[in-house]
Order: sequence, then structure tokens, then C-alpha cells
Amino acid sequence: AQSVTQLDSQVPVFEEAPVELRCNYSSSVSVYLFWYVQYPNQGLQLLLKYLSGSTLVKGINGFEAEFNKSQTSFHLRKPSVHISDTAEYFCAVSRSSTPLVFGKGTRLSVIA
Amino acid sequence: DTEVTQTPKHLVMGMTNKKSLKCEQHMGHRAMYWYKQKAKKPPELMFVYSYEKLSINESVPSRFSPECPNSSLLNLHLHALQPEDSALYLCASSQGGPPGATEAFFGQGTRLTVV
Repeated sequence: AQSVTQLDSQVPVFEEAPVELRCNYSSSVSVYLFWYVQYPNQGLQLLLKYLSGSTLVKGINGFEAEFNKSQTSFHLRKPSVHISDTAEYFCAVSRSSTPLVFGKGTRLSVIA
Repeated sequence: DTEVTQTPKHLVMGMTNKKSLKCEQHMGHRAMYWYKQKAKKPPELMFVYSYEKLSINESVPSRFSPECPNSSLLNLHLHALQPEDSALYLCASSQGGPPGATEAFFGQGTRLTVV
């Protein structure tokens, strides 16, 4: 079965600084990878996804992620964060016949 | 329309009550899901419907009863819940039967409080 590890439970960062949220997955077969964002008292919104093809994936709100098969990683990056990026971020993995499995989440706090 | 609509947004119910959560999507998606999310935790899968048939039940207690009346609607019937069932209940949908090939679209959730 596949699983996801988000290495940091909380990441504080100053406004306009770059940020990286780390995600590692484990699976013996090909997987699909996703990053979702959850603002307080809201549902989950898809930031970006990797299904196949180019390993650098660009998403909404200026985020991007790089799929690294050899390191089984899918880290999320943004070159300059805003206060409005403060939220919970979930990495998720699935296969063609299995639902999403989420990591434990990373709380991104942007400090003014 | 890329929305998944959940009603109600908030629900307070007693342990002897019967209530239902509703979810609707009009994207033509054939897989629909219920997730439960406790505070500061990731969503946990409860049920998956694929082509209107229950395909996955993650050993959820029988006090939670899902129903898929048609391809656009998903209900979660609640009966004799416990206070520890208080959580955010999220509905999601995705295209096609196998749920992993594309992203899942999530509703805003129903915040359930059991008193």
C-alpha cells in the first residue's frame, strides 16, 4: 500500500521569503501525486498534481512541485510567500485504482 | 461548474437524533467519496461510491450509512452518533470509476457537533 510522509508539521516563514514543504511517498508501483491546501474551516483545494510527463509541475497561486522518482519525493515550493498563503497543506498519493491517501499535513504560517 | 456542494455547513445533533448530510456535484463525475476530518488531522476516507455502487467501506461503524441516489448526489445518514464523531465531514468527487487517475474535487464540508 502507498503512504505519504510530510516531514514538517509546521513551517514558519517570513512574508516574501521562499518556502519548501517536503513530501516523501512510498509505493512499489507508479503513483499519482497531489498537493492540496486547506484554509481554516474550508474544504480542500487542489494546488497541483503529477500524473505523468514533466517532473516539474506548476500549480495555482505561484506554487510548483518537482517529482523525483529516485528520491521518492514531491516537494512543494514557492519563491515568495504572502500572508494569504497561511494554511494547512496536504500531500496526497493515489494509484489508478485507489483513492487518495493523505499525509499528516504541514501548517504553513507566514509572518509579516 | 467545478463545485461540490455540501449541506448543511454546520450541524449540531444529539446522540439520539437522526440526521443526513448531503452532497451534490454536476461535473459528471462517477466516483464520490466521504471523508472524515478531525481537528489538526488529515482527511480519513470513509466510503467510496463508483458508478453509484458502494465500492469501499473503510470499516466505518454502522451508525454512518451512506447512500447514492443517483450519479450527482451522495448522502450520509447519521444515527445514534457519539460525541467523538464530531468532526468536519468532507465530500469529494472524481472523474471515472477508478478514483486515482485524476484529482478529487472537495466540498466545503459539514461541521458536525454531537452533543
